[in-house]
Order: sequence, then C-alpha cells, then structure tokens
Amino acid sequence: DAGITQSPRHKVTETGTPVTLRCHQTENHRYMYWYRQDPGHGLRLIHYSYGVKDTDKGEVSDGYSVSRSKTEDFLLTLESATSSQTSVYFCAIREVRQETQYFGPGTRLLVL
Amino acid sequence: DQQVKQNSPSLSVQEGRISILNCDYTNSMFDYFLWYKKYPAEGPTFLISISSIKDKNEDGRFTVFLNKSAKHLSLHIVPSQPGDSAVYFCAASALQGAQKLVFGQGTRLTINP
Repeated sequence: DAGITQSPRHKVTETGTPVTLRCHQTENHRYMYWYRQDPGHGLRLIHYSYGVKDTDKGEVSDGYSVSRSKTEDFLLTLESATSSQTSVYFCAIREVRQETQYFGPGTRLLVL
Repeated sequence: DQQVKQNSPSLSVQEGRISILNCDYTNSMFDYFLWYKKYPAEGPTFLISISSIKDKNEDGRFTVFLNKSAKHLSLHIVPSQPGDSAVYFCAASALQGAQKLVFGQGTRLTINP
C-alpha cells in the first residue's frame, strides 16, 4: 500500500469556522491531489500540487485553499466552512512518469 | 456537464458469473482511463487502467475494454467473487500534464452467493 495518511479521519465542525485537513505521504511523490466524494458525483478534484509551493485549482476549488511547504505534506483549508462542504475528502499521490494515483483512507467532515 | 458517466448505479451478479460494468465519456482529450474499487470507509483502490493506444488490457480476472469511436469503456470481472462486492469508479484524464482525474458517479456491485 502507498504510504498515505490523512488526519483527522473524522471531524464535526460548525458553519463559519476554519478547518484544515492534512495529507501526509512517505513515498516522496511529486504530485498530490485533494478530491471530495459526494453521492451522485463520484470524486471531484479540488486542488492539486506538482511540487513544493506549486499548486493549482481543480474543478471545485471555491471555498478551499491549499498549501504545500514540504514534499510530504499537503494541507487543505476550508476558510469558512459551510454545510455544502460536508463531504468525504480524499488525498491522492502520484509520481512523475507514473500513470496511477494512489488514494489515502479519507476524512469524513460534517459541517453543522 | 458530466464528462464521465456510469449510468448504472447498481448491479447484482451471481457468484461465478461475469460482471460487466460500463462507463461513457464525452471529452475527446481523454487518453487514459482507470478503474478504482472502493469499500465503505476506505479510500479508492486502483484496479486496472488502459491508455487510448490500446483497446484491451487484462490483469487476472479483470479486463478493461476501450471503444474510442463510441467513447465507451467496460470492466469485465470473471469469475465474480463475493469479495468483489464494492463500489466501482471509472476515471479519465489526459496523460500529459498533471493528470487531473475526472470520475464517474460509481456503480455498486453486489455478488450474490
């Protein structure tokens, strides 16, 4: 299994509060991704990173920001959480010239 | 606009028989396709992939077929086993660049003993 951990695994928060989710890898892969999974939508890309301090937006980036100050960590921040951001969040990693993304175990977030 | 579609939300198959999961896409720029399997409370697990230069890729009990003219791919599992019961996602991307995956909605496969 790819060495990917996500923390926390579960979180309940209130509308309007900031929330940060962490993805940590031990594989030293260059690419890291954040997806959200919602019923009827499959997984949708939020943001991705192609190196330290290099990030870009995905399909559903509004209300989210990311940071990558070290190769092994990719942080996803909900600046002011809303109920529509209740979801399961997955991190994925991929090495350059490899074709497959490997996923972490997910973080279940509930915004009340 | 859903660029990758899995039109069957669920599929039920007898153990030992063939399971066929289907996926359609609309974006002609997609040239790499993957299937992931997902159990509850776990992350998606990579199953098999295919690039657009091929029309078939096989790995043990799993075979993926790609029909580029129809923009259609399918995953065949034979023989189906109880452990295959899971949600299956197809995903597509362009091979060049950041490989931003676009996923279908998923199909829940149930294998009945």
